[in-house]
Amino acid sequence: QKEVEQNSGPLSVPEGAIASLNCTYSDRGSQSFFWYRQYSGKSPELIMFIYSNGDKEDGRFTAQLNKASQYVSLLIRDSQPSDSATYLCALLRGGYQKVTFGIGTKLQVIP
Amino acid sequence: EAGVAQSPRYKIIEKRQSVAFWCNPISGHATLYWYQQILGQGPKLLIQFQNNGVVDDSQLPKDRFSAERLKGVDSTLKIQPAKLEDSAVYLCASSLVGGGSRTYEQYFGPGTRLTVT
Repeated sequence: QKEVEQNSGPLSVPEGAIASLNCTYSDRGSQSFFWYRQYSGKSPELIMFIYSNGDKEDGRFTAQLNKASQYVSLLIRDSQPSDSATYLCALLRGGYQKVTFGIGTKLQVIP
Repeated sequence: EAGVAQSPRYKIIEKRQSVAFWCNPISGHATLYWYQQILGQGPKLLIQFQNNGVVDDSQLPKDRFSAERLKGVDSTLKIQPAKLEDSAVYLCASSLVGGGSRTYEQYFGPGTRLTVT
């Protein structure tokens, strides 16, 4: 079982809709989670960081963490074509804070 | 604040040749990471430094890859000899170390795209 599992997609949503991206993880010791966005040919950029159970909102983005069920999700409200990118889920764990990335989910927002 | 710098941006070599990549992290960032990202996959950690010490190199193919971080600042990653499967983007990232959630945020450089023919 992979440490971080994501559906590679593509996930297609119409402009203005809510995009829901999911990620599951295997290590119950995982402490914190990141969502990174990566445009084609570019480097990843951090969009959300979450470490507590529940929801965390930042603008149009909401991250949801459920440690009991071992999943973390990212909701993007009012999706825009500029949100079309690959979204990487990453977990942070261990004394030296090792970061492990998932494969990423490709999101396509259709105008 | 200057970002993470990497060079070169692109490199094409033949298999069995050697290649080196350079990274300069954000000033004051104690932790430096090298990742390998193969097309269609997420970044895979090769090596993690904290200051000038290695804290994780479990996924570094040590028979051909080596890395160093002199004086706890910039770093080089070397491949010798290169194989076809080493074709990938090599990303360098850095982060602060310490308390607070934002200190674990990784800032990525632009990457080096390596093509091995």
